[in-house]
Amino acid sequence: GDSVTQMEGPVTLSEEAFLTINCTYTATGYPSLFWYVQYPGEGLQLLLKATKADDKGSNKGFEATYRKETTSFHLEKGSVQVSDSAVYFCALKNTGNQFYFGTGTSLTVIP
Amino acid sequence: DVKVTQSSRYLVKRTGEKVFLECVQDMDHENMFWYRQDPGLGLRLIYFSYDVKMKEKGDIPEGYSVSREKKERFSLILESASTNQTSMYLCASRYSGNGYEQYFGPGTRLTVT
Repeated sequence: GDSVTQMEGPVTLSEEAFLTINCTYTATGYPSLFWYVQYPGEGLQLLLKATKADDKGSNKGFEATYRKETTSFHLEKGSVQVSDSAVYFCALKNTGNQFYFGTGTSLTVIP
Repeated sequence: DVKVTQSSRYLVKRTGEKVFLECVQDMDHENMFWYRQDPGLGLRLIYFSYDVKMKEKGDIPEGYSVSREKKERFSLILESASTNQTSMYLCASRYSGNGYEQYFGPGTRLTVT
């Protein structure tokens, strides 16, 4: 069945460091892919998405490219800030109504 | 802006009580979802509804039921709360169709003692 595997955390970075959070998926066909962010004490918010192969989603300095050949959707940011400290979830949606989420990666950015 | 609201941010109930968690969305979304979130397990789907009065079981429906009498409201019911249902409960909604994202509420942290 469909599934998402993402890099386990926690991840701790210094401010202005480069961030990569790996996400790979298993799915038939052409799913849509998403990154969500959850700040402490809040629900999940959509960070970015890509709906077809080679699409690049971007928002708030974060980027991810839908790579069908490697079944990946890695999240990157060139220079992280303290305010980026949160839990990040990779997710996919295929032809049904159900979304499949990774287990989440906790990021802490220290000044 | 899409708004998904949940009836309580924090709830404490006793074992055996019947518990109602309410979720309301204001964007006329067809699909609504209930998840629970536990450390190390990510989000697990309990139930979802693809339209009014329609529901489907998710991955962990045991011990839960749902109700969707109106399009904007999706209720999660714990028939007889148990301590292993202590968790964060998240509601989400979306338009049906490919490519549409889910919008989440702020969550309800339920503690069953």
